[in-house]
Amino acid sequence: DAKTTQPPSMDCAEGRAANLPCNHSTISGNEYVYWYRQIHSQGPQYIIHGLKNNETNEMASLIITEDRKSSTLILPHATLRDTAVYYCIVRSISSGSARQLTFGSGTQLTVLP
Amino acid sequence: GAGVSQSPSNKVTEKGKDVELRCDPISGHTALYWYRQSLGQGLEFLIYFQGNSAPDKSGLPSDRFSAERTGGSVSTLTIQRTQQEDSAVYLCASTPTPAGNSPLHFGNGTRLTVT
Repeated sequence: DAKTTQPPSMDCAEGRAANLPCNHSTISGNEYVYWYRQIHSQGPQYIIHGLKNNETNEMASLIITEDRKSSTLILPHATLRDTAVYYCIVRSISSGSARQLTFGSGTQLTVLP
Repeated sequence: GAGVSQSPSNKVTEKGKDVELRCDPISGHTALYWYRQSLGQGLEFLIYFQGNSAPDKSGLPSDRFSAERTGGSVSTLTIQRTQQEDSAVYLCASTPTPAGNSPLHFGNGTRLTVT
């Protein structure tokens, strides 16, 4: 699976949008971009995923560049509870690809009051 | 709705004892995965179930580790003769299908401490 690069940390003011970038320049055509987050002492929480098109759900929006080499996770109105480590991963479309799930270091997002 | 449930949430055991960790996946999810996460580290794959069978158990670190799944639902990870290096958070995840576009949903894990 392709590797990803994320900034180690970011701050965001409560109520403002949090924009978390991710580079995945070696992504292949059959790999999805996934975002998870992990709050201390909890398991990873699925946020959103996409292949080529931008995606939106009740938690966040995912913007994928046209060349698919980078993406941005947007939390539209960050709250204190959004403070967590955010992981961007790429995952093959093939069955069993969860074996190679690699979370890396992620971005520590701190939402400030 | 109910998510993936793991029990116990914390387990402290003495070196050499056996432990059983339980995972209740989301109802209807056919694929189930076990991972472990050591402090400050990423996820280490252990085993994958499709239904009650385990097509991939290549991540089990030694023959002291085993897992089973019954009724296509509950799974138990057993560690025999625990060692201190087994201390970690053991995470279970489930997904409706094993395909790569099917998100994994994780439980909150069992924190195992071997003294």
